[in-house]
Amino acid sequence: GQNIDQPTEMTATEGAIVQINCTYQTSGFNGLFWYQQHAGEAPTFLSYNVLDGLEEKGRFSSFLSRSKGYSYLLLKELQMKDSASYLCAVRGRDKIIFGKGTRLHILP
Amino acid sequence: GAGVSQTPSNKVTEKGKYVELRCDPISGHTALYWYRQSLGQGPEFLIYFQGTGAADDSGLPNDRFFAVRPEGSVSTLKIQRTERGDSAVYLCASSSQPGTGAADTQYFGPGTRLTVL
Repeated sequence: GQNIDQPTEMTATEGAIVQINCTYQTSGFNGLFWYQQHAGEAPTFLSYNVLDGLEEKGRFSSFLSRSKGYSYLLLKELQMKDSASYLCAVRGRDKIIFGKGTRLHILP
Repeated sequence: GAGVSQTPSNKVTEKGKYVELRCDPISGHTALYWYRQSLGQGPEFLIYFQGTGAADDSGLPNDRFFAVRPEGSVSTLKIQRTERGDSAVYLCASSSQPGTGAADTQYFGPGTRLTVL
């Protein structure tokens, strides 16, 4: 079967750093994506990993370990606008499966 | 077009009725996906088109759901005999080259919020 797990909710403080974890079990692996979704809006692409290691893009970084079926999204210098849901998605052999998302609350 | 568009943005219907939801993908994108998202959940995969054909329709919940993409561009998701449990936001996404790395990135439309009374 295919399964993606991520925490339901997290809370962090403005200016701080937060790490959102994702573990997955899929039939085949052809890449892992992170998306951001603000309430009432469509998901927007943040990052893509297919090889092990860290991909950095501004304040956001994403890490992948294929042997462990594990990824994390690291958000630095948190801003109030980062309050959103963060979706981990994996392309298996065919389709892309999404996790349920992690709702991130930012406190001033 | 500049992005993925979906119509209507909102649809309210009565139990038992038939509805059609339309998706217009980014021009040139060969792959098109339909998802259903309920409140507080991630997008749930329904069906994936590569060109005109359904490459994977394993997510369609039952035979009341059907989708077409006759010319390899616009797609229509059709739901027969709607039920209250079908109420959700239906998202469409497209990508340029599925399964080929970063070009596999999906771009989402704004969604259609379906409410079945």
